[in-house]
Amino acid sequence: DGGITQSPKYLFRKEGQNVTLSCEQNLNHDAMYWYRQDPGQGLRLIYYSQIVNDFQKGDIAEGYSVSREKKESFPLTVTSAQKNPTAFYLCASSLMTSPSYEQYFGPGTRLTVT
Amino acid sequence: AQSVTQLDSQVPVFEEAPVELRCNYSSSVSVYLFWYVQYPNQGLQLLLKYLSGSTLVKGINGFEAEFNKSQTSFHLRKPSVHISDTAEYFCAVSGINAGNMLTFGGGTRLMVKP
Repeated sequence: DGGITQSPKYLFRKEGQNVTLSCEQNLNHDAMYWYRQDPGQGLRLIYYSQIVNDFQKGDIAEGYSVSREKKESFPLTVTSAQKNPTAFYLCASSLMTSPSYEQYFGPGTRLTVT
Repeated sequence: AQSVTQLDSQVPVFEEAPVELRCNYSSSVSVYLFWYVQYPNQGLQLLLKYLSGSTLVKGINGFEAEFNKSQTSFHLRKPSVHISDTAEYFCAVSGINAGNMLTFGGGTRLMVKP
């Protein structure tokens, strides 16, 4: 089955530690995205990538970093510089050439930093 | 740039009653419109989308939405809800010149009561 996988589903870290969230897709999609979701605030775009080895900052990129070395993979690192890292993180992907442009979402990773 | 306003943060409704979740958008260009559903601790799943053509769009799980260009709205409706429809619903918009970049509303929590 094609889809997007995110691991782990739950992640706990101590304050001051960097942590990397995994996102893999086998949909052959060109574009991938990372969103942060906080209660009552909808989805906010952190980073996106439309092609391998290239990525762009979204609305709330400070304290986060990404890489796109393979088309299938788009890991997100939450650094110690992120002031409020506890949140639900969603990865998504989409085609760039189709007119539909709908984004397909992974199951999410809930990060708790104490 | 686009923006999306979901007018109700929570909508309580009794089982088998009809429901309407409201979505208004703002954009200087023509748009594509989407509704997604999110069940607790899961990713987002596409309910339906409007790209062009008929303004009444039918989606999965008995939901439909109507695009009203003059009122810049894309309200989601279901004639008879079930307990299993309890979830968070997100309206999203993209400009046709940047179709893969979605802007999300803040979400509406639908609570179906027995």
